[in-house]
Amino acid sequence: AQSVTQPDIHITVSEGASLELRCNYSYGATPYLFWYVQSPGQGLQLLLKYFSGDTLVQGIKGFEAEFKRSQSSFNLRKPSVHWSDAAEYFCAVGPYNQGGKLIFGQGTELSVKP
Amino acid sequence: DAGVIQSPRHEVTEMGQEVTLRCKPISGHDYLFWYRQTMMRGLELLIYFNNNVPIDDSGMPEDRFSAKMPNASFSTLKIQPSEPRDSAVYFCASSSNRGRGYNEQFFGPGTRLTVL
Repeated sequence: AQSVTQPDIHITVSEGASLELRCNYSYGATPYLFWYVQSPGQGLQLLLKYFSGDTLVQGIKGFEAEFKRSQSSFNLRKPSVHWSDAAEYFCAVGPYNQGGKLIFGQGTELSVKP
Repeated sequence: DAGVIQSPRHEVTEMGQEVTLRCKPISGHDYLFWYRQTMMRGLELLIYFNNNVPIDDSGMPEDRFSAKMPNASFSTLKIQPSEPRDSAVYFCASSSNRGRGYNEQFFGPGTRLTVL
């Protein structure tokens, strides 16, 4: 079955600390992977995506993610968190080389302590 | 491009009333998606279209919900009659099947629906 698991529902980090949000997926075909961010009261915004090539991808706002095929993971990282990063983060997987629906994880809510 | 446009941004209605949510996708995109987001159930895909044709409506909760896409630049999600449990934020998203950015979905700002 196709699924995306974000094991952490809620994470709190201190401002300036490093961050890693976990994402594991189950997908039968070559995956196309995404991280989206949703600020309070807003729609989802794409942070970064991966479909081939270098397994470490850079995104907006200083985020990066690493694709590990052997672990079926696509974890999101940031070396130093800012208070404005407080938001909900969604991992998603979709079919490579075609359109169609994405499968979203349940989301991880990030709180940032001053 | 203005991005995905949704209207209204907020809707408050009474139980039993008909509600119509509207979406204008990004010009040139051939996929359109309707999602519902609640605290309890998270982000749920309701239905999606490809070239104005509904492809998968398995997420539509019941017959009270219907969606149409009469042309490439407009879609509606209708709830008739509405119930308090329909209260949620409804998102529309669009994507393109062309170019290296295909299947990246662009989301609208959402419609916050409250059914009293």
